Amino acid sequence: ETGVTQTPRHLVMGMTNKKSLKCEQHLGHNAMYWYKQSAKKPLELMFVYNFKEQTENNSVPSRFSPECPNSSHLFLHLHTLQPEDSALYLCASSQESLVPGAFFGQGTRLTVV
Amino acid sequence: AQSVAQPEDQVNVAEGNPLTVKCTYSVSGNPYLFWYVQYPNRGLQFLLKYITGDNLVKGSYGFEAEFNKSQTSFHLKKPSALVSDSALYFCAVRDGDYKLSFGAGTTVTVRA
Repeated sequence: ETGVTQTPRHLVMGMTNKKSLKCEQHLGHNAMYWYKQSAKKPLELMFVYNFKEQTENNSVPSRFSPECPNSSHLFLHLHTLQPEDSALYLCASSQESLVPGAFFGQGTRLTVV
Repeated sequence: AQSVAQPEDQVNVAEGNPLTVKCTYSVSGNPYLFWYVQYPNRGLQFLLKYITGDNLVKGSYGFEAEFNKSQTSFHLKKPSALVSDSALYFCAVRDGDYKLSFGAGTTVTVRA
């Protein structure tokens, strides 16, 4: 276990549904991340939060909405997704400046039908 | 921007043979380099990192990596591969504050 927990592990949702992914870490890290991993593509950084403030949004469509209520919790709210949004969504956390590296959760496998 | 490249999509080796997974980097300044491994249906697990110091870095599960500044490479190595090492391996570089840029990944298959 890396200390980063993601729920649910698997999610199937229709294009008109609204759902949320949850990530939790109790490692004392200040930064949290959402990555998208699609087949045959490099990991895509979606959002970065540092001390609860969003510091990066990599041109992610508005149907993905992040929320970071505190340094230990990160959510990704999903609505009106498309089938091409099906992927493994990975949460990670780190200390400032990434010197120790980032710790990843096990991911949520999302399927949009 | 900092970046890494993994020139091989796949590496196949026999169990007991040496394993090398290649990574080259392109950075301005001193690189912070990382290797991660991903087993099927799992998240990424940290293997090792290079920040500064010795060019040979030792990590988890018997892996090591050699930082080579002249060749801008950071290849991952294991002297004797196991079937259980079969997985997807990612090289990454710190790209500004709070950002890791990943390579496309290399699938390693170790046959018994």
